[in-house]
Amino acid sequence: QVELQESGPGLLKPSETLSLTCSVSGGSISPYYWSWIRQPPGKGLEWIGYVYHSGSTNYSPSLKSRVTMSVDTSKNQFSLRLTSVTAADTAVYYCAKRGDYGDYADHWGQGALVTVSS
Amino acid sequence: DIQMTQSPSTLSASVGDRVTLTCRASQTISTWLAWYQLKPGKAPKSLIYHAFRLQSGVPSRFSGSGSGTEFTLTISSLQPDDFATYYCHQYHTYPGTFGQGTKLEIK
Repeated sequence: QVELQESGPGLLKPSETLSLTCSVSGGSISPYYWSWIRQPPGKGLEWIGYVYHSGSTNYSPSLKSRVTMSVDTSKNQFSLRLTSVTAADTAVYYCAKRGDYGDYADHWGQGALVTVSS
Repeated sequence: DIQMTQSPSTLSASVGDRVTLTCRASQTISTWLAWYQLKPGKAPKSLIYHAFRLQSGVPSRFSGSGSGTEFTLTISSLQPDDFATYYCHQYHTYPGTFGQGTKLEIK
């Protein structure tokens, strides 16, 4: 059973860069797609994008200019970078395995709260 | 963007009840719909994909149906572990969009 765990700083100042890593256990990061999804407090879920084990990516248009996702197959990890954060980026960030048959998530991490505050 | 609307926002029910949650899409999405169960502090759980296909390991009391713009998630006999918030997710058009959630509460 694949398990995912997010890690990274929980508190950022406006204009800083959010960096999160997702560690995958119970299975290989290849040959799958891996996703990031977020949920601001009291709000709905938002799909951020996904990265393939080869490193190719597909980002949400609304965040594309600030997002970078990458994969480290040697560590069985993948990562999210979001630049120039504001309070609107405060959210629980989930890493997830993209489903085998479409752009849904079939396994999720438990989420990491990232707060942006001066 | 495709808007997803879930109803009701909150549902109060008892253990053993049969409940149905509804999700409507603002335009047709065929069967490109997933359902998730979220609980605070826990990893979300994927329940259904392609509108009706059960994820591996999900109990058979969960079922999904619908196509086009109208979808339902039914739990045939509520168990204590089922009280959570449920979200639908369309992945017909990238990036997918989610409903606002239905919170299933203990009556």
